[in-house]
Amino acid sequence: QTVVTQEPSFSVSPGGTVTLTCGLSSGSVSTTYYPSWCQQTPGQPPRTLIYNTNIRSSGVPDRFSGSILGNKAALTITGAQADDESDYYCVLYMGDGSWVFGGGTKLTVL
Amino acid sequence: EEHLVESGGGLVQPGGSLRLSCAASGFTFSSYWMHWVRHAPGKGLVWVSFISSDGTTTRYADSVKGRLTISRDNAKNTLYLQMNSLRVEDMAVYYCARGRSGLYDMDVWGKGTTVTVSS
Repeated sequence: QTVVTQEPSFSVSPGGTVTLTCGLSSGSVSTTYYPSWCQQTPGQPPRTLIYNTNIRSSGVPDRFSGSILGNKAALTITGAQADDESDYYCVLYMGDGSWVFGGGTKLTVL
Repeated sequence: EEHLVESGGGLVQPGGSLRLSCAASGFTFSSYWMHWVRHAPGKGLVWVSFISSDGTTTRYADSVKGRLTISRDNAKNTLYLQMNSLRVEDMAVYYCARGRSGLYDMDVWGKGTTVTVSS
């Protein structure tokens, strides 16, 4: 069973930069997994921020960026704002018609 | 504007059945893949199922195989999830999401419908 790993929690100061990562329990994440990043605040549906590794969805501020860093996918928030405080999930396409979400990272901005 | 609206959630006893629906509008439904994703209380998002644009290909998470069935009616612009033999661990908010072939993402999300499994 493939496990997609994310940091359970992270903290960033307002205006600061934070990088969240998305790895695999076995192997490396590459662009062939088409990594996406979703943001979800309590009581709200998810919102896709980044798809296909590094493409921002329409309306997403350019302070959000996606990349591959080493053997993981990464979401970087540059100039964090208070309303960036959310849960962030990566999701990977496993190549066999299935997708797997990571466990999510709870981001605190303080 | 693209919209997805889920319905059909509710309270069901363990072992019971439920059928969720997802009504699509604002885009050509028959051209897109579709997914169901769930969010259990206190847990993370979990991908549940996928269906191709023409409905001929379906996939399921191991935890729901044999109990949940995804389908679609492109004439009615509606996605379905038939849920049988429900378990307490199936209790969650269920979201439908639009998928794009070639990009393998989920770009439009509904607001979700809540399934409660309890005796």
